[in-house]
Amino acid sequence: KAGVTQTPRYLIKTRGQQVTLSCSPISGHRSVSWYQQTPGQGLQFLFEYFSETQRNKGNFPGRFSGRQFSNSRSEMNVSTLELGDSALYLCASSLDRGLADTQYFGPGTRLTVL
Amino acid sequence: AQSVTQPDIHITVSEGASLELRCNYSYGATPYLFWYVQSPGQGLQLLLKYFSGDTLVQGIKGFEAEFKRSQSSFNLRKPSVHWSDAAEYFCAASPGTGNQFYFGTGTSLTVIP
Repeated sequence: KAGVTQTPRYLIKTRGQQVTLSCSPISGHRSVSWYQQTPGQGLQFLFEYFSETQRNKGNFPGRFSGRQFSNSRSEMNVSTLELGDSALYLCASSLDRGLADTQYFGPGTRLTVL
Repeated sequence: AQSVTQPDIHITVSEGASLELRCNYSYGATPYLFWYVQSPGQGLQLLLKYFSGDTLVQGIKGFEAEFKRSQSSFNLRKPSVHWSDAAEYFCAASPGTGNQFYFGTGTSLTVIP
């Protein structure tokens, strides 16, 4: 099976712009979670989608949003980019058998905001 | 509030020496616990997980972890470290409902010859 894929792998944007990141989960996985990874804060949970519905949400401002499609692929959008949004954005998928399940991570999208 | 703490930001060990990475969690109940490893430029790879049962958990690459409820700890161990183990290690916890994971800030491992 192919692993979790994320596109693009690298992005450079300027302040005020918006960006959309994409994540394709492992085939058959229905849950997709997004994390922001920065050197100072480590990995912070953004949100989780399951069956096209946001099921959990972390403590991020409304500029961060996401969605999930019927094929479980997910997108994450950040509007009005700020310098502090520069980070590695990781996507993880899991089968979700009712309880916390093993999450399989993609390689991430490196976002740089200038 | 739920939290995961990895007290050691960086650890250096000699190749062949034993390793222990510390992890403490703060939860109302026993969470599900995980250890992940991240090599440079790579995503996170699961090393092992604890859901319930035997408190000593075996993982991949020769790693093991012990859950100690009394100390709220889930420390990762390896008897003999290899140079290829140099990476960033993350401890994570989940309350068990849904897939909202809380990660520690990570421990960077350097292995010297």
